[in-house]
Amino acid sequence: GEDVEQSLFLSVREGDSSVINCTYTDSSSTYLYWYKQEPGAGLQLLTYIFSNMDMKQDQRLTVLLNKKDKHLSLRIADTQTGDSAIYFCADSFSGGYNKLIFGAGTRLAVHP
Amino acid sequence: DVKVTQSSRYLVKRTGEKVFLECVQDMDHENMFWYRQDPGLGLRLIYFSYDVKMKEKGDIPEGYSVSREKKERFSLILESASTNQTSMYLCASSQQGRDGYTFGSGTRLTVV
Repeated sequence: GEDVEQSLFLSVREGDSSVINCTYTDSSSTYLYWYKQEPGAGLQLLTYIFSNMDMKQDQRLTVLLNKKDKHLSLRIADTQTGDSAIYFCADSFSGGYNKLIFGAGTRLAVHP
Repeated sequence: DVKVTQSSRYLVKRTGEKVFLECVQDMDHENMFWYRQDPGLGLRLIYFSYDVKMKEKGDIPEGYSVSREKKERFSLILESASTNQTSMYLCASSQQGRDGYTFGSGTRLTVV
């Protein structure tokens, strides 16, 4: 079945760029998403990319999509302590019902 | 601001109790979902619903049931709570299209 994989941890210094990577298996994806989860909270939509795009930029966030390799990345420029959270990659399931398949989440730790 | 509201942030229940987790959305969304989140396992889909009185099993439905009598409300029921159902439960809703899910804040359930 469809699967989404992410590395579990990333540690960066404040002010550096963070790059969180994701791979997926569904070749029929329409949209791919990045969600952020702060401690004790639900998931918040950060950004999404349509499958016919290679890149999307939104302020400090850059999403890159390599459809051939089924690889998605999220770059956060000038990472701040407030960016410490768990980041989830999600793939829109081609089987309908607007269902999303989530990765296990990458915990980003930002240190001074 | 659009919202998905989960009735409880924290719940403590005894083994064998019947437990109801309630979720209400105010966006007139067709699709609603229940996930559980456990460390290292990410989000796992329990059940979802694409219309009133309609439901579909997700990846881990055993030990759970759901009810959707009204479009805005989706309830998760633990028929006989067990300690391995201690988890964070997340409700989400969505409409067809690009906007992905809107999540509630989550209910952290502890079964003792």
